[in-house]
Amino acid sequence: QVQLQESGPGLVKPSQTLSLTCAVSGGSISTSTYYWAWIRQPAGKGLEWIGRIYASGSTNYSPSLKSRVTISIDTSNNQFSLKMTSVTRADTAVYYCARDELDYDAFDLWGQGTMVVVSS
Amino acid sequence: SYDVTQPPSVSVSPGQTATITCSGDKLGDKYVSWYQQRPGQSPLLVIYKDSKRPSGIPDRFSGSNSGNTATLTISGTQAMDEADYYCQAWDRTTVFGGGTKLTVL
Repeated sequence: QVQLQESGPGLVKPSQTLSLTCAVSGGSISTSTYYWAWIRQPAGKGLEWIGRIYASGSTNYSPSLKSRVTISIDTSNNQFSLKMTSVTRADTAVYYCARDELDYDAFDLWGQGTMVVVSS
Repeated sequence: SYDVTQPPSVSVSPGQTATITCSGDKLGDKYVSWYQQRPGQSPLLVIYKDSKRPSGIPDRFSGSNSGNTATLTISGTQAMDEADYYCQAWDRTTVFGGGTKLTVL
């Protein structure tokens, strides 16, 4: 059974870089039918797609975040990562990693989410 | 950028049918997925490619998509179906609706 687990600092100072990792267990991150995505959700608000990566390293990003976001993949360690630069309080949210199943055109598996607070 | 719109809230009596809509320009030309999110939990995929149910999702969940509107229908709504529901589509980027809070009264 494939599982996703986010990890990273829960507190980041304004203007600094947010870094999160998603570990994939129970299956290979290199499987051809999946992209791997980051999605966030501010408290009490809706879901916002951040971007996704394929095992080859090919990426797509949200236009509104593209200038600050980098998603990378480490197939040898079966994990992928998110870096977001120049964070502000508006970036405070629960960050989810998710599996983007290409045959479904949907996110069929989600991590439990990790809360990131941007505060000095 | 492409936007999809959902009603903020929908109420339904137990055992009745709940209908949640998702609207967007020519949305019927795109695939729509639906997610259920209970408080404190991660989203759960309940419908993909407009009307398909993943394994383990009860058949009381169904979906359709035509014209500018996609619809999630929950037949015989149960108390456990009370949750936030999000639609999602792809138009050069993934977009989510703002979410609909389903209350089972």
